[in-house]
Amino acid sequence: GEDVEQSLFLSVREGDSSVINCTYTDSSSTYLYWYKQEPGAGLQLLTYIFSNMDMKQDQRLTVLLNKKDKHLSLRIADTQTGDSAIYFCAETSTGGGNKLTFGTGTQLKVEL
Amino acid sequence: ETGVTQSPTHLIKTRGQQVTLRCSSQSGHNTVSWYQQALGQGPQFIFQYYREEENGRGNFPPRFSGLQFPNYSSELNVNALELDDSALYLCASATAQYFGPGTRLTVL
Repeated sequence: GEDVEQSLFLSVREGDSSVINCTYTDSSSTYLYWYKQEPGAGLQLLTYIFSNMDMKQDQRLTVLLNKKDKHLSLRIADTQTGDSAIYFCAETSTGGGNKLTFGTGTQLKVEL
Repeated sequence: ETGVTQSPTHLIKTRGQQVTLRCSSQSGHNTVSWYQQALGQGPQFIFQYYREEENGRGNFPPRFSGLQFPNYSSELNVNALELDDSALYLCASATAQYFGPGTRLTVL
């Protein structure tokens, strides 16, 4: 079955770059997503990448996909205190319909 | 602002009771998905509805059921509540691009 893994915690200083990593097992993944969840809130879609792409950039966010290694990363440039949240990667696959399989989330803490 | 609303925000029930959670999405989004997020975990797919029919289901027992209405609003019903059903329940529309704020269910 599908499995998505993330490291649990990341701490960075304000102004530095953050890199959040994710690995997945489903070789038929079609889309990969990054969501942000602030305390007590729902999920906010940040960005997504189609599986035939290597990279996608959207303002401060850069997504890198290594399909061979099934590795996805989210880089946040110039990290701010407002970026402190839990970040989830998720994937959909050709056999899974529109079902999203999520990782366990990475808590990003931004320190002054 | 995703245009997806959920009610109620919080709910407390006791074991064995039944609960109905509601979701309202933007018009034109004819797909709605429900997810369960236990504390400290990622969301788990419960099921999806497309044009009022169930269109995929995760690893949840039959006591989790749903409905989608012609106006694209949706309900999640859970019967015979168990303590492990305590979680944040999220609905999402349009292929899970837009999530609601969730309903926090506590089962005592």
